[in-house]
Formats: sequence, structure tokens, C-alpha cells
Amino acid sequence: DGGITQSPKYLFRKEGQNVTLSCEQNLNHDAMYWYRQDPGQGLRLIYYSQIVNDFQKGDIAEGYSVSREKKESFPLTVTSAQKNPTAFYLCASSAPGGSTDTQYFGPGTRLTVL
Amino acid sequence: GIQVEQSPPDLILQEGANSTLRCNFSDSVNNLQWFHQNPWGQLINLFYIPSGTKQNGRLSATTVATERYSLLYISSSQTTDSGVYFCAAREPTGANSKLTFGKGITLSVRP
Repeated sequence: DGGITQSPKYLFRKEGQNVTLSCEQNLNHDAMYWYRQDPGQGLRLIYYSQIVNDFQKGDIAEGYSVSREKKESFPLTVTSAQKNPTAFYLCASSAPGGSTDTQYFGPGTRLTVL
Repeated sequence: GIQVEQSPPDLILQEGANSTLRCNFSDSVNNLQWFHQNPWGQLINLFYIPSGTKQNGRLSATTVATERYSLLYISSSQTTDSGVYFCAAREPTGANSKLTFGKGITLSVRP
């Protein structure tokens, strides 16, 4: 089945630790995105990548890092520099251009800092 | 950047009722999407609708780009329609494919 997978579903982290969230897609999409969602809020863009080996900062990139070594994969690292990392993290992908430039989302990862 | 506002913030309906959800955006757009987030957090794309009208079953959407708003209509609502509805828009400037999301409309459909 084509789609986007994120792992783990739930993640607990101690303060001061870095953690990496996985995002994989088999939709052959060029573009991938990471969003953060806080309770009662909309989605805020952390990082996005339109092509392999290239990525750009979104609106709230501080304290996060990404890599895009493969088309299928776009992992997000939440570093110890992120002051308030507890949130729901969503990964998305799209095939930009034309009339089908829609974003498809993974199931999300809930990160809790203890 | 573009501003996206949704109204009302919360909506409670009795099963079978109809509703209209509104999305206003501050600038011209070349991409406007509606999403539904279910209680487990999964976002599903409902419509890609930068202009015009589309229908999919009990849902339909209309975007009037010249007046900078979009409407999502839900007819004969069901309890499974509950969740949060997001509108997201993108300005037609450069190659940036970044979408800006509204804060969402929380819909509760009661049996």
C-alpha cells in the first residue's frame, strides 16, 4: 500500500536528550514536510524539503534538525536546544505542481518530555 | 506571509444537521486545501480547491478566490464527521511550496 509511515507512535524523552523521529513515504513524492501541532492549535511548519539533499527552514526551525539523503526518508531530530518539545509531530509529503499539489499526512508521533 | 483565519472556532451539531465552515485568507492563493483531523490525530485531505466548487458525497467546498474565502459544507452530518477541520493556503510567489494552516474548527456531532 502507498502511504506515509511515522515511528514511533509515542515517544518519551528525558530533558537534555536528542531524539529522532522517523518519516518514510512510498508515494514517490519529491517534497516532504515536518509540522508541529500543540493542543488547540493549527499546524506550524518546522522544516521542508523539495528535493533530495536539500531542505529549508520553516517557521519554527530552532532546536530541530533534518536530513534528506533519500527520496523516501525525511527524519527529524529534536535536539536538547528545543525548549518546549512536548507536542504532536506530523510528517507530510506532496508532488508539487499541477492540479494535484495536495499534501498527504502520516499518522503522527506524540513526543513527551519527562 | 499569508494569514488564514477559520470560523467558527467550535461547532456543535445534532446528527443529521447541515453546517458551513468558513476560511478567510489575506492574499491571493494558488493552493487551498481542506483537511479533516480525526480524534486519533490523522489528517485526511478533503479537497484541493484553489478556486471553484467541488463535491464529494455529503461534503462540498467552494472557493471564491477574488473575495479571498473558502467554504466547506457538510450535509446530513454524522458522528464520524467529528474532529477538527483545517484550511491551508499558499501564496503564488516563487517556488516555495509552503502551506499556511488556520487554527482549525472543532466540530462535534452528537447522536
